[in-house]
Amino acid sequence: AQSVTQPDIHITVSEGASLELRCNYSYGATPYLFWYVQSPGQGLQLLLKYFSGDTLVQGIKGFEAEFKRSQSSFNLRKPSVHWSDAAEYFCAVGGSGGSYIPTFGRGTSLIVHP
Amino acid sequence: DAGITQSPRHKVTETGTPVTLRCHQTENHRYMYWYRQDPGHGLRLIHYSYGVKDTDKGEVSDGYSVSRSKTEDFLLTLESATSSQTSVYFCAISLGGVDEQFFGPGTRLTVL
Repeated sequence: AQSVTQPDIHITVSEGASLELRCNYSYGATPYLFWYVQSPGQGLQLLLKYFSGDTLVQGIKGFEAEFKRSQSSFNLRKPSVHWSDAAEYFCAVGGSGGSYIPTFGRGTSLIVHP
Repeated sequence: DAGITQSPRHKVTETGTPVTLRCHQTENHRYMYWYRQDPGHGLRLIHYSYGVKDTDKGEVSDGYSVSRSKTEDFLLTLESATSSQTSVYFCAISLGGVDEQFFGPGTRLTVL
């Protein structure tokens, strides 16, 4: 069965610092990978996705993620965090093999200190 | 923004009463989903639909039923609400099953 692990429940960074949110997945075939962001009281919004091709994916709001098949990881990065990036971040995995409906991780809450 | 609305946005009900949540889309997307979001559990799939009258169960489907009689509407019913169903419910849509999902604003349900 497919699964996603986001090891960090909370991450605290200072504004302007770099950010890396971890995501590890388990999937029996080539995965489709997603990062979503949820601001308080809102629904989820797609940040970026990986289906194939270049393993470094650029998304909205200055985020990027790198697919590393050997490590079963898809970590989200941003070089300089803004206070408005404070939100909940979810990684998801799906694909053309097995259950194609994406499975979500439990989320990482990002706290940004001024 | 994708045209997805959920109604009601907030509801308080009592244990044992039936509850129906509605998701409406204007995007003509084939797939529709119902999730619940609880602290520490992230998003968990309840049911999804891959076409009119075509639905399937997710990982937490017990106590829930769904119906989709039109492309644009996907209803989630709690036949007899329990306190464990207190949650925030999100509807989502996608073109295909592996595509990115677009989420509605959520419905906060409290079962007393």
